[in-house]
Amino acid sequence: KAGVTQTPRYLIKTRGQQVTLSCSPISGHRSVSWYQQTPGQGLQFLFEYFSETQRNKGNFPGRFSGRQFSNSRSEMNVSTLELGDSALYLCASSQDSPVNTEAFFGQGTRLTVV
Amino acid sequence: GQNIDQPTEMTATEGAIVQINCTYQTSGFNGLFWYQQHAGEAPTFLSYNVLDGLEEKGRFSSFLSRSKGYSYLLLKELQMKDSASYLCAVTYYGNNRLAFGKGNQVVVIP
Repeated sequence: KAGVTQTPRYLIKTRGQQVTLSCSPISGHRSVSWYQQTPGQGLQFLFEYFSETQRNKGNFPGRFSGRQFSNSRSEMNVSTLELGDSALYLCASSQDSPVNTEAFFGQGTRLTVV
Repeated sequence: GQNIDQPTEMTATEGAIVQINCTYQTSGFNGLFWYQQHAGEAPTFLSYNVLDGLEEKGRFSSFLSRSKGYSYLLLKELQMKDSASYLCAVTYYGNNRLAFGKGNQVVVIP
């Protein structure tokens, strides 16, 4: 069965621009979570979606947003990019919830803001 | 955050045993995961503990003490391919999220 697919793998953007990242979960998984990973802070939770609804949100500014489609694919958007948004963005899919079942991570999208 | 603490880096010799510790806030605690992440790759699941005690899976074991807010991952018979970051992630009731520690980088040397 195919794993979690994230596109694109690499992105370079300029400050002030916006970006959209995509995540296709494992077939049959309905929960998709997004994380930001930086060397200094580790993995920080952005948000989690289940059946097209955002169930949980981390402590990120409103410039970070996301959505989930009826086929469980998810996108996250970052507007007005800042240099500090440079990071690896990881998405993870779980059958119903990441709380008590294994989460499967994608390879991530490495975003560089210049 | 939930103050999930892990030491940052350790070096060990091939064939040795290493123990990676993780402490967390106990209030509302549900369960604890360990993930392995090789450089440039996605984190992969190693273990899940929800009850006190030791869970053994081949060369890797994970221990949990709910009352102490403490877990450790034990890596035995270290191999070069075990060089990676080991991430502790905690879940709390009412939160559909994994709260990660910053990870512990293990470097295995010959």
